[in-house]
Amino acid sequence: DGGITQSPKYLFRKEGQNVTLSCEQNLNHDAMYWYRQDPGQGLRLIYYSQIVNDFQKGDIAEGYSVSREKKESFPLTVTSAQKNPTAFYLCASRVGGLYTDTQYFGPGTRLTVL
Amino acid sequence: DAKTTQPTSMDCAEGRAANLPCNHSTISGNEYVYWYRQIHSQGPQYIIHGLKNNETNEMASLIITEDRKSSTLILPHATLRDTAVYYCIVRVQAGGTSYGKLTFGQGTILTVHP
Repeated sequence: DGGITQSPKYLFRKEGQNVTLSCEQNLNHDAMYWYRQDPGQGLRLIYYSQIVNDFQKGDIAEGYSVSREKKESFPLTVTSAQKNPTAFYLCASRVGGLYTDTQYFGPGTRLTVL
Repeated sequence: DAKTTQPTSMDCAEGRAANLPCNHSTISGNEYVYWYRQIHSQGPQYIIHGLKNNETNEMASLIITEDRKSSTLILPHATLRDTAVYYCIVRVQAGGTSYGKLTFGQGTILTVHP
């Protein structure tokens, strides 16, 4: 069954701690993305990766880091430098082609900083 | 990417067609219209996309006006499970300097009631 998985679904952390959110896909997609969503708001792009071993900052990358060592995996680390990390985090991967450019999203991880 | 305008909220009776409008008067010739939806506390879900012709799939139909300045997403027989926020997004295909970023606005909150 193909898709994108994110874990954990809910995550709590204390201020000053780093935390890593997992994102795995078995869709064989090259491109992967991390978005952040705050209550009542749209999605904002944190980081993206178009190919293994390469990634680029999105619109709100400060306080976050990523790696892309495998095609299937794109973990996101929320560092203590992120001032307001409580949010809903969404991972996506993209199938590209001449006539389609669709992103598929995981179920999300809700991070709460205590 | 072109800016879109959608109504903040809409209601629909279960079993009836839901018609969700989107204005994109500044759309360029190479920009596609994409629709996604987000059910509460889940990741966004791709629905449909089109360039200038009307499109239909198992989920919905997309009607794009001849001048491409507006479009309508049609859910032919709405169910309670279609209650969600619906996002209309206009963008070029990813590639070259475009890396596939999706810009989600506020969307339309569709409430399907019994």
